[in-house]
Amino acid sequence: DGGITQSPKYLFRKEGQNVTLSCEQNLNHDAMYWYRQDPGQGLRLIYYSQIVNDFQKGDIAEGYSVSREKKESFPLTVTSAQKNPTAFYLCASSIQGRDNSPLHFGNGTRLTVT
Amino acid sequence: AQSVTQLDSHVSVSEGTPVLLRCNYSSSYSPSLFWYVQHPNKGLQLLLKYTSAATLVKGINGFEAEFKKSETSFHLTKPSAHMSDAAEYFCVVTYTGGGNKLTFGTGTQLKVEL
Repeated sequence: DGGITQSPKYLFRKEGQNVTLSCEQNLNHDAMYWYRQDPGQGLRLIYYSQIVNDFQKGDIAEGYSVSREKKESFPLTVTSAQKNPTAFYLCASSIQGRDNSPLHFGNGTRLTVT
Repeated sequence: AQSVTQLDSHVSVSEGTPVLLRCNYSSSYSPSLFWYVQHPNKGLQLLLKYTSAATLVKGINGFEAEFKKSETSFHLTKPSAHMSDAAEYFCVVTYTGGGNKLTFGTGTQLKVEL
């Protein structure tokens, strides 16, 4: 079954610690995305990558970092510089080079920082 | 520039009655529009999309939406609500040539009562 796997489902960290969220896809999609979801605010784009070894900042990239060393993997690191990291994080992918191709989403990771 | 406004943050209907979730958009270009559904603690799933073909778009699970350029609207409807339709719904806008940069609405929570 093709899809996107995010792990872990729930993650708890102490303030000041970096934490990495995993995202793996087996859809053979070139493009991958990270979104942050907060109640009542919809989804906001953190980073996206259209091809291996390349990525761009989204609307709220401060305090986050990513890598794209393999086509199927796009991990997100939430650093201690992110002022309000507690949120629901969603990874997505899409076919590259086709405008308006739908996004396929993982089931998310809920991060709680105390 | 583009934006999307979901006019109701919460909608409550009785099972078997029609559903109407309202969405207005703004775009400097010819828009593409999507509706996604999210069940609790899950990722988003595509319901339907409009990409400049037929203005009445049919999606999964009996949902449909009509693109009305004169009203800049893309409302989601379903003739008869089912308990399993209870979820959060997101209206999303992008445009051809936009490189799949999506703008999400803030979501409408649909409650279905017996």
